[in-house]
Amino acid sequence: AQTVTQSQPEMSVQEAETVTLSCTYDTSENNYYLFWYKQPPSRQMILVIRQEAYKQQNATENRFSVNFQKAAKSFSLKISDSQLGDTAMYFCAFMKPSGNTPLVFGKGTRLSVIA
Amino acid sequence: ETGVTQSPTHLIKTRGQQVTLRCSSQSGHNTVSWYQQALGQGPQFIFQYYREEENGRGNFPPRFSGLQFPNYSSELNVNALELDDSALYLCASSLGRGGMNTEAFFGQGTRLTVV
Repeated sequence: AQTVTQSQPEMSVQEAETVTLSCTYDTSENNYYLFWYKQPPSRQMILVIRQEAYKQQNATENRFSVNFQKAAKSFSLKISDSQLGDTAMYFCAFMKPSGNTPLVFGKGTRLSVIA
Repeated sequence: ETGVTQSPTHLIKTRGQQVTLRCSSQSGHNTVSWYQQALGQGPQFIFQYYREEENGRGNFPPRFSGLQFPNYSSELNVNALELDDSALYLCASSLGRGGMNTEAFFGQGTRLTVV
């Protein structure tokens, strides 16, 4: 079974600074997908960024980028120029590529952006 | 807004009762997945429905059951409620059953409290 571990329960960052959230996972699969989701107080889970394991190039979405280290099974999220609206729970998630597999989530990291 | 709506937003039930939660999927989506998110935890997969049939199930007892209707909306039913069933229940809709391009869009969740 796949597991996802987020070792930082809480983090804080000053507005406009950069912060990195950590995620490790365990799997015997060679191909899979990795995701970072944001859950603000409104509770709705929002996809931030995704990575396909067979792609070596790290994904980037505006201020959000990942550092994907397949051999180390590590998938960290970097948020640049942090904004107050980035305050939320962040969940790392894993998914196998086959048809009926669900998302497997970590326990989350609570990020607070401080003005 | 993702176009996925869940009702009700909050619910309080007594131990032993039964509850039905509802989810309207995003237009054009034929797959609905349900997740349970206990306080301070990441979402846990309950089950998935694809074209009105159960298409995968997580480690939840049979008193957790579901339905998907011809319009692809879905219900989650929980019988004989226990205190540990208190959680945020998330519904996610997607087009297709998995994979990189079948992004899951989440609703805002139903907060269930069992007393």
